[in-house]
Amino acid sequence: DAKTTQPPSMDCAEGRAANLPCNHSTISGNEYVYWYRQIHSQGPQYIIHGLKNNETNEMASLIITEDRKSSTLILPHATLRDTAVYYCIVRVAVGTGTASKLTFGTGTRLQVTL
Amino acid sequence: DAGVTQSPTHLIKTRGQHVTLRCSPISGHKSVSWYQQVLGQGPQFIFQYYEKEERGRGNFPDRFSARQFPNYSSELNVNALLLGDSALYLCASSQGTPASGNTIYFGEGSWLTVV
Repeated sequence: DAKTTQPPSMDCAEGRAANLPCNHSTISGNEYVYWYRQIHSQGPQYIIHGLKNNETNEMASLIITEDRKSSTLILPHATLRDTAVYYCIVRVAVGTGTASKLTFGTGTRLQVTL
Repeated sequence: DAGVTQSPTHLIKTRGQHVTLRCSPISGHKSVSWYQQVLGQGPQFIFQYYEKEERGRGNFPDRFSARQFPNYSSELNVNALLLGDSALYLCASSQGTPASGNTIYFGEGSWLTVV
């Protein structure tokens, strides 16, 4: 029941910006968009999350469209260590709304090359 | 500061046995969630606990159960293990109420192999 759609794979040259798109056209007004990455089946690593506004931290930037139906994760200067599966996730309410879950899809496999 | 810690990191069980997986959340985090990740797929939600109460449950059979202790650590129990239960089991913790937009951190997981 993932609410997101991502391309299965992308390539990026080292040193260039990696722009990973995500569609979440059925997102509700109070649902957050989260991005995680996973390397070699280690635990998912948190990257960034947001609700409406664009967000930036030391790892990446998150650009959310005004209608909130899509977003883009930007890694400004990709390195070989950024090769991973990137998950775009909508955090949805569970049960009566006092709980929530992350609904993972299949993600985008980003390959950074020399 | 320590992140989310899980134990054991790897274990092998036989079909029909029982397993207990443990999770210690980040200090100060009161919400703990469990996820199952089968090879080649994204993690799937199993349970969420907050303030020692179950707040949410995913589409998993009753063989799966969990609890949260007064120190906010958590255990995931799986009875009558099946081959299909072989997976990476992930624990995640966050501060504040489960419905808020807090940052959620995952542990490195427990690899369970059922033979």
